[in-house]
Amino acid sequence: EAGVAQSPRYKIIEKRQSVAFWCNPISGHATLYWYQQILGQGPKLLIQFQNNGVVDDSQLPKDRFSAERLKGVDSTLKIQPAKLEDSAVYLCASSLAPGLAGDNEQFFGPGTRLTVL
Amino acid sequence: AQSVTQPDIHITVSEGASLELRCNYSYGATPYLFWYVQSPGQGLQLLLKYFSGDTLVQGIKGFEAEFKRSQSSFNLRKPSVHWSDAAEYFCAVSSGNTGKLIFGQGTTLQVKP
Repeated sequence: EAGVAQSPRYKIIEKRQSVAFWCNPISGHATLYWYQQILGQGPKLLIQFQNNGVVDDSQLPKDRFSAERLKGVDSTLKIQPAKLEDSAVYLCASSLAPGLAGDNEQFFGPGTRLTVL
Repeated sequence: AQSVTQPDIHITVSEGASLELRCNYSYGATPYLFWYVQSPGQGLQLLLKYFSGDTLVQGIKGFEAEFKRSQSSFNLRKPSVHWSDAAEYFCAVSSGNTGKLIFGQGTTLQVKP
C-alpha cells in the first residue's frame, strides 16, 4: 500500500515570495491533515479536511495561508507572502475516518522542509 | 484545553540499557494517546497507541507504554535500547471527535555505543 506522498521535499524561498506544497493521501482515506513543525517543537495542526470540507482551521494564519482539497483526494497548502517565521517542516497526514477509535490512526508523509530567507 | 508535556528535551542512554520517556497529558475525557518516532529527514511513524482496555500497550520495535489515569501519564519504555533507536520521540493526545493530534515538544534520544 502506498503511503502519503508529498512534494517538494525541500524548498528555499525569499521572504514575501509565495510557495505551494502538495499532498496525496493514502487511497480511500477521507481525512487529511496539514501540520507545521518548527525546529525543536512538536507538529501543530494547521488545517483538517474531511473529504473536501474543512473540519478545523482554527490555527491556520488565514491572512497568508490557504489550503484546498477540491476533489476530496489530494490537497495543496499555499503560503503567500511568506515570512521568516514560516520556516518549518510541513507534514501531511491522512486517516481513514476520525471519531472511530480503531480508525483514528494518522499516517504521515515525509514532509516538506521550507526555508525562508 | 488539551495539552501534552514531555519533561525531558534530551536523553542519552547507553546501548543495551533500558529506556523510559515521560509523557504527561491534560484532557477532560478518556484520552486517545499515541507515541510517534521521527528519524532525521523522515516523517512520523506510529510506535503504539492507547484507546481503551489494557493499560499496558505493546508497540513496534520492542516498545511498550503504560497508561496511568491517576498520574495523567503515558510513559514509553524499552528494556534494551539499540543504536538504531536514536531519534526524536513525540507523545500525542487526540480528540476522538475530530482526530486532531496535539503533540508534546518531543524528546531527542541519543544512544551511546
